[in-house]
Amino acid sequence: DAGVTQSPTHLIKTRGQHVTLRCSPISGHKSVSWYQQVLGQGPQFIFQYYEKEERGRGNFPDRFSARQFPNYSSELNVNALLLGDSALYLCASSSGQGGYGYTFGSGTRLTVV
Amino acid sequence: GQSLEQPSEVTAVEGAIVQINCTYQTSGFYGLSWYQQHDGGAPTFLSYNALDGLEETGRFSSFLSRSDSYGYLLLQELQMKDSASYFCAVRDGQAGTALIFGKGTTLSVSS
Repeated sequence: DAGVTQSPTHLIKTRGQHVTLRCSPISGHKSVSWYQQVLGQGPQFIFQYYEKEERGRGNFPDRFSARQFPNYSSELNVNALLLGDSALYLCASSSGQGGYGYTFGSGTRLTVV
Repeated sequence: GQSLEQPSEVTAVEGAIVQINCTYQTSGFYGLSWYQQHDGGAPTFLSYNALDGLEETGRFSSFLSRSDSYGYLLLQELQMKDSASYFCAVRDGQAGTALIFGKGTTLSVSS
């Protein structure tokens, strides 16, 4: 069985640009969460979606948005990129609304220059 | 606010036992989880404690004391492949079932 799939794996963008990151959860998993991990820190929660509805939002500016599609895949969008947005963006899926035991993808390494 | 504290680095030799501590402060408690991450790869779920006591999974064990807001991850018979970052995490009761992670403990295992 395929795990959590994220694309692209690496991305370089210029300040002010927009980026879209994609995530496909484990088959059958209805919950997708997004995390940002800056080098040397733990993952920081951005969004959670369950059954295509937003179920949680972390302390991130409105430049960050996300959505979940009918097939439970998800997109994370970041507008007006800043240098500080450079990080590893992780997607995690779970079968229910969970609370533990998430399966993470390998992430998208975003570099803003 | 909600926060977790864990040591930044731990070193040990192959075959040894190491304990990684985690203290937490939360507004509502829904259990303590542990994740392993190799070199910026995918965090991997290791264990979860909702109740006080010890949970054992092979060479790894995790302990929780809710009265002390404290837990630890115990790694036995250390192997070189155990060199990684280890994160404790609690559920953010104010944001669905999102997790709040500690800053992580980097474990270096030498021969």
